[in-house]
Amino acid sequence: DGGITQSPKYLFRKEGQNVTLSCEQNLNHDAMYWYRQDPGQGLRLIYYSQIVNDFQKGDIAEGYSVSREKKESFPLTVTSAQKNPTAFYLCASSMRGAQETQYFGPGTRLLVL
Amino acid sequence: GQNIDQPTEMTATEGAIVQINCTYQTSGFNGLFWYQQHAGEAPTFLSYNVLDGLEEKGRFSSFLSRSKGYSYLLLKELQMKDSASYLCAVRDRSGGYQKVTFGTGTKLQVIP
Repeated sequence: DGGITQSPKYLFRKEGQNVTLSCEQNLNHDAMYWYRQDPGQGLRLIYYSQIVNDFQKGDIAEGYSVSREKKESFPLTVTSAQKNPTAFYLCASSMRGAQETQYFGPGTRLLVL
Repeated sequence: GQNIDQPTEMTATEGAIVQINCTYQTSGFNGLFWYQQHAGEAPTFLSYNVLDGLEEKGRFSSFLSRSKGYSYLLLKELQMKDSASYLCAVRDRSGGYQKVTFGTGTKLQVIP
C-alpha cells in the first residue's frame, strides 16, 4: 500500500531533551512538509523540502531541524531550544506539478513531561 | 502574506445541507483546497479549485470566486460521520515555492 507513515503516534519529551519524529513515504513524491497543529489554530509550516538534500524554513522553524538524505524520508528533530513543543505534528508530501495536493501522514502527538 | 477566514463552528442536522464559507486575501492566488479532519486524525483531501465555478464530487461540492476571494464547501445529505473540522487552504506563488496556508478550520457538528 502506498502512503505516508509517521512514528511514533505519541512521544514524550523531557526538559532539555532533543527528540526526532519520523516521516516516511512510498508515494514517490518529490516534496515533503512538516506542520504543527495547536488547538484553535491552523496548520503552521515548520520546514519543507522540494527535493533530496534541500530544504527551507517555514513560518515557525525556530527550535526545529530537518534532513532530507533520501527521497522517502524527512525526519524532524525538536530541539531543546523549542520552548513550547507540545503539539500535534503532521508530515505531508506532494508530487511536484500543477495541483500539488498535499497528502498527510497520521501525525505524532508530542507531550512534554 | 495571506489571511484566511472561516467560521469557527457550525451545527447542522442529519440529512440536511450545510455550506461552509471561506474568504481569503492573497497576492498571488494559485489554488484553493478543502480538507476534512476528524478529531485526532490527519487531514484528508476533499477538493481543489483553481478556476471560478463549482466542482462536484459526490455529496461534496466546492465553489470558487477568485474576484471575490471566496470559496464554499457544500455538504449534502449530511451523515453523522461528517462531524469533523473542515480546513480551507490557499496556495499562492511566493518566489520559487508555491506556499500553502491553512485556515483555522470550521468544526462541524452533525446532530440527529
